Amino acid sequence: GENVEQHPSTLSVQEGDSAVIKCTYSDSASNYFPWYKQELGKGPQLIIDIRSNVGEKKDQRIAVTLNKTAKHFSLHITETQPEDSAVYFCAARSSGSARQLTFGSGTQLTVLP
Amino acid sequence: SAVISQKPSRDICQRGTSLTIQCQVDSQVTMMFWYRQQPGQSLTLIATANQGSEATYESGFVIDKFPISRPNLTFSTLTVSNMSPEDSSIYLCSVGRSSYEQYFGPGTRLTVT
Repeated sequence: GENVEQHPSTLSVQEGDSAVIKCTYSDSASNYFPWYKQELGKGPQLIIDIRSNVGEKKDQRIAVTLNKTAKHFSLHITETQPEDSAVYFCAARSSGSARQLTFGSGTQLTVLP
Repeated sequence: SAVISQKPSRDICQRGTSLTIQCQVDSQVTMMFWYRQQPGQSLTLIATANQGSEATYESGFVIDKFPISRPNLTFSTLTVSNMSPEDSSIYLCSVGRSSYEQYFGPGTRLTVT
């Protein structure tokens, strides 16, 4: 089955700086890669996703890049703000898995004011 | 997206008892899933809730411990049976309408004493 590794486990940045979180996946058949933000006491929120036919996708301050050859994808947050502080999870879905997602281990992002 | 509610939002239960968690969506969805998130950990898929048929369980999860119902396209329940302290977790339902995106409910925080 699919295996997703996520790094780093914790990340602290100064407000206004950029943050990058990286994930690798094992199944070359995976074709969908979402990112979720989970604030304390809440359920995960889908913030951006990318499909395997696209190399990069942006939405305001966040972007995701995908390298299919290397089987890794990354989340980029620019101009970080204190409200970006949360746990971020990457996930991957194999094309043959009936929409089941395999999640990374999570990154605790702290934006220091 | 979809508006997803879960009941109860949290509960404290005694070992040996059972708790049923409800998941309600504001519109019909194709897929519904149940996840477990142990304290400080990532998300693990318990099962896919199938409308009109038995749920599909992931390795390590069995129907006797986690019976699931899905009577229609907007509602599902997960029961945690014969609970032990190891069942203390956040239980999350998620839904999928399109072929890709999944959206999560707010979660049910369960503590077993």
